[in-house]
Amino acid sequence: GAVVSQHPSWVICKSGTSVKIECRSLDFQATTMFWYRQFPKQSLMLMATSNEGSKATYEQGVEKDKFLINHASLTLSTLTVTSAHPEDSSFYICSAWDTQETQYFGPGTRLLVL
Amino acid sequence: AQKITQTQPGMFVQEKEAVTLDCTYDTSDPSYGLFWYKQPSSGEMIFLIYQGSYDQQNATEGRYSLNFQKARKSANLVISASQLGDSAMYFCAMREAVISNFGNEKLTFGTGTRLTIIP
Repeated sequence: GAVVSQHPSWVICKSGTSVKIECRSLDFQATTMFWYRQFPKQSLMLMATSNEGSKATYEQGVEKDKFLINHASLTLSTLTVTSAHPEDSSFYICSAWDTQETQYFGPGTRLLVL
Repeated sequence: AQKITQTQPGMFVQEKEAVTLDCTYDTSDPSYGLFWYKQPSSGEMIFLIYQGSYDQQNATEGRYSLNFQKARKSANLVISASQLGDSAMYFCAMREAVISNFGNEKLTFGTGTRLTIIP
């Protein structure tokens, strides 16, 4: 099946710093990618839809200035958590549709803000 | 209103037995897709099976089958001959399709069921 990669898989940072997470579709092109956030023992919550060459669409309640999304090419989307705080610690996971029947997910990035 | 409902927060099943994970959904869109994903402790989301709303037959993929009852709006996942490696969180999800705008459709997830296989 199609492969979506994410980097880094783990990141620990100090409060106030910014963290960039990359999401790549390795063997297919994705004009749209999705960014989710998952807290422990909870379901995935969609944060934003990343669109190649245009602005991302954010879900209600998600601060767009806090979570900057850039979809610079058909295979790469990045999520930058700006001025991270401990409450931003979470599991971030991206995805993209390969076909109408399959949305593939990256392996996720665990962010811990100290 | 919740669009995807998974009523079983946790299940314990003996190894080699079959297990059914429940999922009900709510949509007024005649065209939609239903998905099941497995999330082991590593966190990755593993695609298991897909059922389209117009599909006449229930989807099957190896040991996984989807019991699709359209009138009841249910899409239960059946795992036959469970294995220890099946222990994980399982999420049901729905895509309300806009075929002409493929690639932009969101997935809505249920709250998940934690399945534990007992040796």
